[in-house]
Amino acid sequence: DQQVKQNSPSLSVQEGRISILNCDYTNSMFDYFLWYKKYPAEGPTFLISISSIKDKNEDGRFTVFLNKSAKHLSLHIVPSQPGDSAVYFCAARDPGTYKYIFGTGTRLKVLA
Amino acid sequence: KAGVTQTPRYLIKTRGQQVTLSCSPISGHRSVSWYQQTPGQGLQFLFEYFSETQRNKGNFPGRFSGRQFSNSRSEMNVSTLELGDSALYLCASSLGPTGGNEKLFFGSGTQLSVL
Repeated sequence: DQQVKQNSPSLSVQEGRISILNCDYTNSMFDYFLWYKKYPAEGPTFLISISSIKDKNEDGRFTVFLNKSAKHLSLHIVPSQPGDSAVYFCAARDPGTYKYIFGTGTRLKVLA
Repeated sequence: KAGVTQTPRYLIKTRGQQVTLSCSPISGHRSVSWYQQTPGQGLQFLFEYFSETQRNKGNFPGRFSGRQFSNSRSEMNVSTLELGDSALYLCASSLGPTGGNEKLFFGSGTQLSVL
């Protein structure tokens, strides 16, 4: 049973436009969320995080929004650049076990 | 500061063999977690070690085991390999246990192919 879901396996966006990556989770107790970016043949690199006590966190071109009532978070990238083309994973922490549970990833392609 | 180092990068084994993967965390990091990545399955949690003690374990069979040494380096062992064990195995380190809003820093992974 997938507790963290990224329902869009892939997404294509024009350079300069906004990229929106979505993530849904099932456990309302999850208390900390992270986004990672992964290039081929490399390990995931941390992008941005958000605690469940907040509903928004920004870092440069990246903004994460958390909607606790909908159990949904999204990552906005503005403006999108070709170098953003990668697989993006969201992760949620279970405060009962402290495990991070990852989604299956969304492959973003930014077209020049 | 050097990142998380995983060795080897690539490994080819046959069914029934065993394999040991190694992970050196970022200097000063005491927590090491292991994940398995397969196409379409995302990152599946294997286990987490902190101060040489296993803190958490995922839903993997007992053929998957690990340990952590006093210098925080960690090894993961898979015995009696099966074709389905072919995957990218990722190690991640953090300063402390993952209960403290710790970010995970990942290595580049070991790509294991079981023939």
